[in-house]
Amino acid sequence: AQKVTQAQTEISVVEKEDVTLDCVYETRDTTYYLFWYKQPPSGELVFLIRRNSFDEQNEISGRYSWNFQKSTSSFNFTITASQVVDSAVYFCALSASAYSGAGSYQLTFGKGTKLSVIP
Amino acid sequence: DAGVIQSPRHEVTEMGQEVTLRCKPISGHDYLFWYRQTMMRGLELLIYFNNNVPIDDSGMPEDRFSAKMPNASFSTLKIQPSEPRDSAVYFCASRGRGGLPEQFFGPGTRLTVL
Repeated sequence: AQKVTQAQTEISVVEKEDVTLDCVYETRDTTYYLFWYKQPPSGELVFLIRRNSFDEQNEISGRYSWNFQKSTSSFNFTITASQVVDSAVYFCALSASAYSGAGSYQLTFGKGTKLSVIP
Repeated sequence: DAGVIQSPRHEVTEMGQEVTLRCKPISGHDYLFWYRQTMMRGLELLIYFNNNVPIDDSGMPEDRFSAKMPNASFSTLKIQPSEPRDSAVYFCASRGRGGLPEQFFGPGTRLTVL
């Protein structure tokens, strides 16, 4: 069974502060994918990033960075110099890969972390 | 390219009525997923299709829910009869060919059953 835990239910930061959103996962699959999605107040779910289990290289995209550590089953997301537009609920998700035999890439979502950036 | 399209965006109905939600996946995508989002249960997968064939409907809450995908560009999720506990946001998502696993979501349909 797969499980994704986002222990932080809500976080508030003042604009320009850095913030890290935690994600811990459980899976028995040997290969898998990890994702982050953003759900702004308007309600849509926006895909941010995918990470393969065999690639532990961290990634940076502008003010966003992701730290994947297989040893601790974590895939944390950091926003540098936060802005009001970053206010949203952020979801971490997990899926098995085709190499695991699942072939379906069903997503298991965490409960989400609501980030509020205060001006 | 157009993203996933869902209609209606909002639906208010009375208990006992039939509700039909519609989804048009991204052109060329071969997987389609229906999710439900509630405060209590978060995001739940209801059913998914591959090449228009239902693969796993174990997430469908009960027989009142049914889903179809008559062709590659259209899917429906039907609730009959609707109940107040069905009130939620229903998302449709699609995934592309070529092995890329990320799913792209539609804007969702907010359903309120009175």
